[in-house]
Amino acid sequence: GQQLNQSPQSMFIQEGEDVSMNCTSSSIFNTWLWYKQDPGEGPVLLIALYKAGELTSNGRLTAQFGITRKDSFLNISASIPSDVGIYFCAGHVNYGGATNKLIFGTGTLLAVQP
Amino acid sequence: DSGVTQTPKHLITATGQRVTLRCSPRSGDLSVYWYQQSLDQGLQFLIQYYNGEERAKGNILERFSAQQFPDLHSELNLSSLELGDSALYFCASSPLRAGAQFFGPGTRLTVL
Repeated sequence: GQQLNQSPQSMFIQEGEDVSMNCTSSSIFNTWLWYKQDPGEGPVLLIALYKAGELTSNGRLTAQFGITRKDSFLNISASIPSDVGIYFCAGHVNYGGATNKLIFGTGTLLAVQP
Repeated sequence: DSGVTQTPKHLITATGQRVTLRCSPRSGDLSVYWYQQSLDQGLQFLIQYYNGEERAKGNILERFSAQQFPDLHSELNLSSLELGDSALYFCASSPLRAGAQFFGPGTRLTVL
């Protein structure tokens, strides 16, 4: 199936460090979303971006919708142990009307050492 | 808690069998989506229903089918199960036309 290119695949950092991850696509998206998934649980929505160039924050998380509409990045500042998990980007394909399809990135595994 | 509920949490069955997964969307959400997550394929979109009608199809096998009922809950039916169907199955919901989708806790299907 179709997937976005997400990097890095994994990150192992010390508590307190900042983290940056990004997603790129060959296609244009109308919306970029960032999710976090804990093992065996459903993805939890962190940030939604609806406009090219938009920069949005949610606590220690900041995400941007790339100007070309083909990329997005997520930054986490001052990481803490509970930030551990898999982070997914997702691009929204707008087919018009109520049709709404998400394409997911390959995921970034984040490990934070206390 | 996203407000999306899924049952059962775990399901273990044998090859060739048929199972039904159930999802209740968040209150007020008209769209329901089904996803399959396996280790080698990541999160794959299967199908979307909006207010009872099928709206988008992804990589859904012919052995799989879904429906959305008048009370907006949805069921995903998986038949003639194969070992490779073992995966986490997630349901998500969204309000009208919104890009953001809210995921349920998932059903872990194990086919033996």
